[in-house]
Amino acid sequence: QQQVKQSPQSLIVQKGGIPIINCAYENTAFDYFPWYQQFPGKGPALLIAIRPDVSEKKEGRFTISFNKSAKQFSLHIMDSQPGDSATYFCAARAGNQFYFGTGTSLTVIP
Amino acid sequence: DTEVTQTPKHLVMGMTNKKSLKCEQHMGHRAMYWYKQKAKKPPELMFVYSYEKLSINESVPSRFSPECPNSSLLNLHLHALQPEDSALYLCASSQDTKGETQYFGPGTRLLVL
Repeated sequence: QQQVKQSPQSLIVQKGGIPIINCAYENTAFDYFPWYQQFPGKGPALLIAIRPDVSEKKEGRFTISFNKSAKQFSLHIMDSQPGDSATYFCAARAGNQFYFGTGTSLTVIP
Repeated sequence: DTEVTQTPKHLVMGMTNKKSLKCEQHMGHRAMYWYKQKAKKPPELMFVYSYEKLSINESVPSRFSPECPNSSLLNLHLHALQPEDSALYLCASSQDTKGETQYFGPGTRLLVL
């Protein structure tokens, strides 16, 4: 059973666009929600993360929006660049385990 | 230094071979993890070590055998693998098992023939 549901599976945007990736969960024990960026042949790298007591967090061009009541959170990438083309995973932590979403393959067209 | 290193980068092995994957970190982290990742899929947790003791084994077949010789090193011993075990094997570490930031290594690309 997928603990964290992620959509869309793939996304294509023009340079400068604002791709949005969504994740949803049911487990109220989750207390930390990171986003990872993974390039082909590389390990995932932490991009940005949020705790459930905060509704929004920005780091550079990356923003997480968090809706605790709806159990949903999303990643927005402002002014997207071709170098942002990668696979993005949302995740959620409960105890000492991280549960990953299924991933979104983002392509930013020059 | 926020680096987790893994060796080898690539490994090809037959189903009767025995091989080992190695992971190293020098960040003073006390939690280390092994994940398996298939193409276009998320990482799947295999094992968690906390303070050099195995704390989670996600029902992984016994042909995978983890070892944590010290707080900086994590090994994954492989024996009698199956072709379906071919995947990217990722090591990660965090401050401890409640640590929020997991640092991943680049992975070992394993092909079982």
